[in-house]
Amino acid sequence: SQELEQSPQSLIVQEGKNLTINCTSSKTLYGLYWYKQKYGEGLIFLMMLQKGGEEKSHEKITAKLDEKKQQSSLHITASQPSHAGIYLCGADIYGGKLIFGQGTELSVKP
Amino acid sequence: DSGVTQTPKHLITATGQRVTLRCSPRSGDLSVYWYQQSLDQGLQFLIQYYNGEERAKGNILERFSAQQFPDLHSELNLSSLELGDSALYFCASSRRGYGLDEQFFGPGTRLTVL
Repeated sequence: SQELEQSPQSLIVQEGKNLTINCTSSKTLYGLYWYKQKYGEGLIFLMMLQKGGEEKSHEKITAKLDEKKQQSSLHITASQPSHAGIYLCGADIYGGKLIFGQGTELSVKP
Repeated sequence: DSGVTQTPKHLITATGQRVTLRCSPRSGDLSVYWYQQSLDQGLQFLIQYYNGEERAKGNILERFSAQQFPDLHSELNLSSLELGDSALYFCASSRRGYGLDEQFFGPGTRLTVL
C-alpha cells in the first residue's frame, strides 16, 4: 500500500552477508509489526515494536522503530538460506486496521 | 503452527458462484481478522470481528460478508464471484483486538475463480 513503503522490493544476498530492509510510513507510526511469509503460505510473526527508539532482536534478526522518521528497519546478520522469504511490515495507522507494505522478497544464495 | 486453522485449503469455483471460508482462532483469542492477498494488491485488510461483533472494516466488497459465531469461529462469505476475486484469503486472530495486539495468521485458503 502507499501508506507503507518497503525497500528494497527484492534482495539477493550471498549467505553470510548482512542486510537491511526498510519500512517507511506516510502517517504517524504508533507501532509496527514485522512478519515473514514463505511464498503461498501464512505469515509468521517476527516482532512487534511499540515505542519510538525501541529495538528488538530474535536470533539474528534485529528490528528498530524510529518514530520521528516514521520508519522501521529490519536487519539480518550473517544471512542463511533459512532467512529466505517475503518480509512484510504492518502498522495500525488508521485505528483498528492493519495496513501492510508490499513486501520485500529476500533470496539467500548458498 | 500458529494455532489458527482455516478450511478449506484450496477452493476452485466458477464465476457467479458463492463460497464460504471458515476460520477457527487460537484458543483464548477473541478477535478475528480477514485479509485478502493478491499479486497486484498485496495483503489487504478486509474486516475484523471482536467477540462476535464487527470491530473494523477495510476494503471489503459489498459482495463479501463475514460473521463471528458464539464459539468465536468466523466465516467469510464471498458471493457473485468474479475472476478478480482469485486470491489467498487469510484469517488471523489476536487476544484483545485493540491497541497493539499481535496477530497470528492461519495458513490461508487459496481461492481460484474460473
